[in-house]
Amino acid sequence: NAGVTQTPKFRVLKTGQSMTLLCAQDMNHEYMYWYRQDPGMGLRLIHYSVGEGTTAKGEVPDGYNVSRLKKQNFLLGLESAAPSQTSVYFCASSLAGQGHEQYFGPGTRLTVT
Amino acid sequence: EDKVVQSPLSLVVHEGDTVTLNCSYEVTNFRSLLWYKQEKKAPTFLFMLTSSGIEKKSGRLSSILDKKELFSILNITATQTGDSAVYLCAVEADYGQNFVFGPGTRLSVLP
Repeated sequence: NAGVTQTPKFRVLKTGQSMTLLCAQDMNHEYMYWYRQDPGMGLRLIHYSVGEGTTAKGEVPDGYNVSRLKKQNFLLGLESAAPSQTSVYFCASSLAGQGHEQYFGPGTRLTVT
Repeated sequence: EDKVVQSPLSLVVHEGDTVTLNCSYEVTNFRSLLWYKQEKKAPTFLFMLTSSGIEKKSGRLSSILDKKELFSILNITATQTGDSAVYLCAVEADYGQNFVFGPGTRLSVLP
C-alpha cells in the first residue's frame, strides 16, 4: 500500500495564479483533511471531508476550495494564489469516527511570489 | 476557541538524557490526544490517549494523559540522536472531524 500520496511535491506560483493539489489514499479511509504548516504555528486545518461528496471548513479555509468526488481523492484548490499562502501543505486521512489516528502524506511545499 | 499549548518550544539535550515534553489543551468535545513525531516530512504517529492515568509505552517513549487537569506528557528516556525531531501534540474533537495541533516542541539531541 502506498498510504497517502500528494502531488506535486513542490510548486512555485505567481500571485494570482491558480492550482490544484491532489491527495490520494489507498486505505479506504472515510475522513480526509488538508492542513497547512507554517513555522512556529504547528498544523492548521484548512478543510476536511467525512465522506465522498461532503466537505467542511476547518480553522483557516479562506482562499481555498476542496472537492471529494471520489472516496480516495481529496483535492485542494487555490483560485487566486497570494504570498500569504506560501506554506507546506499536508493531507491526512483516517478511519471514520473518533479515536483513530491520522495518516499523513509527504507534504507539498508551495511558494507564491 | 480550541487551543493546544506545548512546552518547551525548543530543547537541546545530550545523548542519554531523559526529556519530558508537555502538552496542555482547551477544547470542546474532547475525544483523544495524539502525539506525533515529525522529522523532515510527514508527521508519524506515536501514541493515542483517551483515558486518564493509563500510561502508553513504546520502547524508550511513554506518554500519559490527565483529563482532569487537561494535559499530557511525553517522556523519552536514554535519548539518542535519532530522537531529534519536532514532537507534535494534537487533540481530536468532534468525533474525528476536528484535530487541533500544538506548535510542536523541537528536540535536538547532541552526541
